[in-house]
Amino acid sequence: SQQGEEDPQALSIQEGENATMNCSYKTSINNLQWYRQNSGRGLVHLILIRSNEREKHSGRLRVTLDTSKKSSSLLITASRAADTASYFCATALSGAGSYQLTFGKGTKLSVIP
Amino acid sequence: GAVVSQHPSWVICKSGTSVKIECRSLDFQATTMFWYRQFPKQSLMLMATSNEGSKATYEQGVEKDKFLINHASLTLSTLTVTSAHPEDSSFYICSARPSGRYEQYFGPGTRLTVT
Repeated sequence: SQQGEEDPQALSIQEGENATMNCSYKTSINNLQWYRQNSGRGLVHLILIRSNEREKHSGRLRVTLDTSKKSSSLLITASRAADTASYFCATALSGAGSYQLTFGKGTKLSVIP
Repeated sequence: GAVVSQHPSWVICKSGTSVKIECRSLDFQATTMFWYRQFPKQSLMLMATSNEGSKATYEQGVEKDKFLINHASLTLSTLTVTSAHPEDSSFYICSARPSGRYEQYFGPGTRLTVT
């Protein structure tokens, strides 16, 4: 079953606006990762946040993690048309086998120029 | 850095034939490689995990005799879809995990169409 569930499923914004995507999961994790996928292509790793971290930044990306609520959010600031893609959260479970990732269903982001 | 190639990018084959997909980590050694399947507008489903020199671990519901995985070296893994059927048509994506890291680096994917 899916571990991560993204919300919303689709998001359309104007260029320059901020985009926020949320991810919820069900079990204890070692870390949570966000990936981007352009249509028909492979995934690109964006950012990894460990279970003992609460917030992480990378350029225009900001990720938060709330382990008590089992949720994470990805904020893209000052969006650009090139940010148009699907965004997936993926969780690595605690304990043995923590290298495997379970992906959510993704949020399809459209940034309108 | 951390580039993963996948070949071919697309393939059309006839029902009953076999198809081999290669996944290579170009600038790092991959302790573990993963194979995923993705249906249109859906998420990635992990098919199997392979470690160099050992047998792959398949997820529940994935037929190991149909999807043969070989991880011959720290930079190469192959997925062979044997006796392909139209329902095997899908987008197959591999990823590679560098030693000591949790991140996975993905290939560009292979679109398989079985006619």
